[in-house]
Amino acid sequence: NAGVTQTPKFQVLKTGQSMTLQCAQDMNHNSMYWYRQDPGMGLRLIYYSASEGTTDKGEVPNGYNVSRLNKREFSLRLESAAPSQTSVYFCASSEFRGASYEQYFGPGTRLTVT
Amino acid sequence: GQQVMQIPQYQHVQEGEDFTTYCNSSTTLSNIQWYKQRPGGHPVFLIQLVKSGEVKKQKRLTFQFGEAKKNSSLHITATQTTDVGTYFCADRSGNTGKLIFGQGTTLQVKP
Repeated sequence: NAGVTQTPKFQVLKTGQSMTLQCAQDMNHNSMYWYRQDPGMGLRLIYYSASEGTTDKGEVPNGYNVSRLNKREFSLRLESAAPSQTSVYFCASSEFRGASYEQYFGPGTRLTVT
Repeated sequence: GQQVMQIPQYQHVQEGEDFTTYCNSSTTLSNIQWYKQRPGGHPVFLIQLVKSGEVKKQKRLTFQFGEAKKNSSLHITATQTTDVGTYFCADRSGNTGKLIFGQGTTLQVKP
């Protein structure tokens, strides 16, 4: 089992360029999440998908869109990148069953917008 | 909105010293999870606390959930260099699988 995989690992964009971050999980989890991590800010939720076919905004959704392509894959799109979107992006998945809902994280994408 | 405050932001200790990080909220915490992130790595789940006053141990790590469910702590006894990293607490948001993370405490251990 690969767990949660993310591509690419690193990316440099110019302001105004677009890109899609890919995430896939092989644990048959229903829920998937996108976070960004900035120094001193912890992990902030951008979007999440409770199950295939549903998506919802998190704490910092502006400037991003998501697609839950199928149960395995959840992509994050930056339509017009801005320097404020320079960050480390983590995808995570979980199976929410009652009180048990630990999240499994991918290795992250380090994005720089110049 | 729901907020989870974590202190301190940074802690430098000598190897062998103890370390504690605290997670606080002005509202009642639902369930608390703790994660560890090694430098350059991704967060990894450590443990979940559910009940008021709950205490769980994992070798040198002791996790506590406050009686009023408004705070939680992680204590490491006799730190080792392998303990280096950032420790996050996270609370469940509403009746979903979403988590609200604290800002994290970064631990440095001097050998």
